[in-house]
Amino acid sequence: AAGVIQSPRHLIKEKRETATLKCYPIPRHDTVYWYQQGPGQDPQFLISFYEKMQSDKGSIPDRFSAQQFSDYHSELNMSSLELGDSALYFCASTRRDSYNEQFFGPGTRLTVL
Amino acid sequence: EDQVTQSPEALRLQEGESSSLNCSYTVSGLRGLFWYRQDPGKGPEFLFTLYSAGEEKEKERLKATLTKKESFLHITAPKPEDSATYLCAVLGNNFNKFYFGSGTKLNVKP
Repeated sequence: AAGVIQSPRHLIKEKRETATLKCYPIPRHDTVYWYQQGPGQDPQFLISFYEKMQSDKGSIPDRFSAQQFSDYHSELNMSSLELGDSALYFCASTRRDSYNEQFFGPGTRLTVL
Repeated sequence: EDQVTQSPEALRLQEGESSSLNCSYTVSGLRGLFWYRQDPGKGPEFLFTLYSAGEEKEKERLKATLTKKESFLHITAPKPEDSATYLCAVLGNNFNKFYFGSGTKLNVKP
């Protein structure tokens, strides 16, 4: 069965650089969530999209932005990177009308040097 | 505000020693309570969704139960490969976000 795809899987950036993370949800899933997970921490909600519209924001810095495209894939854009942005970034998808399962992607490990 | 609390933070078991993990929650209008397993450096792996009090679901050595205030993940005769962090999350009236607990790190020793 198709799963959530994230790219890249690993990313190394310098401070003050920008990064773009991509997420491809499971086919026919209309809702995408982004999470940030620091070492030993639980996933922290960043932002979500439903039918290509932003539906909620969590603890997402102003330096970050995201969007969902017509094909339902989503991108998380991160600018002016800081050391503290180093984390695992997960994307998850679900169907709003059958919210029985929220599937996570494998994550992107971002390291800011 | 919706909130999820998991206990214990860490649990060490001998192989074959059954135990339970707890997930207490407060949520406005529970639409679902979700259990995930997460291995280091990997995305959370979906295990179960529970919708209403009294519901139970099983998968191999795992059994999840739900009351109006908490959920338990029972692990029967665990094996070392069950070692992982187990995360609980809830979805309430706000469809737009899932609330996660901080997880229970399970270590099963052979």
